[in-house]
Amino acid sequence: QKEVEQDPGPLSVPEGAIVSLNCTYSNSAFQYFMWYRQYSRKGPELLMYTYSSGNKEDGRFTAQVDKSSKYISLFIRDSQPSDSATYLCAMGSGGSYIPTFGRGTSLIVHP
Amino acid sequence: GAGVSQTPSNKVTEKGKYVELRCDPISGHTALYWYRQSLGQGPEFLIYFQGTGAADDSGLPNDRFFAVRPEGSVSTLKIQRTERGDSAVYLCASSLLSEDTQYFGPGTRLTVL
Repeated sequence: QKEVEQDPGPLSVPEGAIVSLNCTYSNSAFQYFMWYRQYSRKGPELLMYTYSSGNKEDGRFTAQVDKSSKYISLFIRDSQPSDSATYLCAMGSGGSYIPTFGRGTSLIVHP
Repeated sequence: GAGVSQTPSNKVTEKGKYVELRCDPISGHTALYWYRQSLGQGPEFLIYFQGTGAADDSGLPNDRFFAVRPEGSVSTLKIQRTERGDSAVYLCASSLLSEDTQYFGPGTRLTVL
C-alpha cells in the first residue's frame, strides 16, 4: 500500500461544475498538505498549502483536511476549461522538506 | 523574474550511455531539489541540496545516479550506464529557504532506447 493514494481518473466534468478531488494517506506523521496543478509537459505549480485540519479557501479553490480520517480534498467551484490539468496532492511530516506526492488525478473540463 | 529552467527539455539516449541534466534555479534560492516523475505517477524525490551540499540523497535509486551543485546555484544530475527503466521526466525545484514553497521547472524528458 502506498503512503498516499489518489485516483488517477480521468475525471470529466462540464464547464461550471463543482469538482471534488481527493487523496487518502496512511502516515499519521503527515502534518502539512498541499495541492499542485500540473499542465501537460509542465512542472507542478503549488495551488494550496495547509497545515491543519479544516478548510482553507482561495478564490474558486477550497482545500479540506480531515486528519482523523486521513483524507484530504480539493474543491474547485465554477470549473473552467483552463482548469483541465493533473492535480497532485502532496504531504509531509514536520521537519521534513520533502513531500510525498500522490499519482495525480487527471481533470478534464469540457465547454 | 525568471523561473526554474532545465536543459535539455528532451534527451534521447541509448542504453549504457552517460547523460547530464542541468537545472538553473531561481536566483537567490538556497535549496534545490531533484525529482523523477514516471508516466502516470507523481514526482518521486531523488536528492535535495542546501547550498552546495547534498542535505538528503536518500532518494537516489543506486550509485549510477549522482548530482552536484558546486557553486550553490546551478545543479547537474548525472546518470551513468543508463537503463531503459531510467526513462522518465526529471524535475528540478528550488525554494528560497528549505521550509519555503518549492517552485518547479518544466522538467527534462529522458528517453533511454
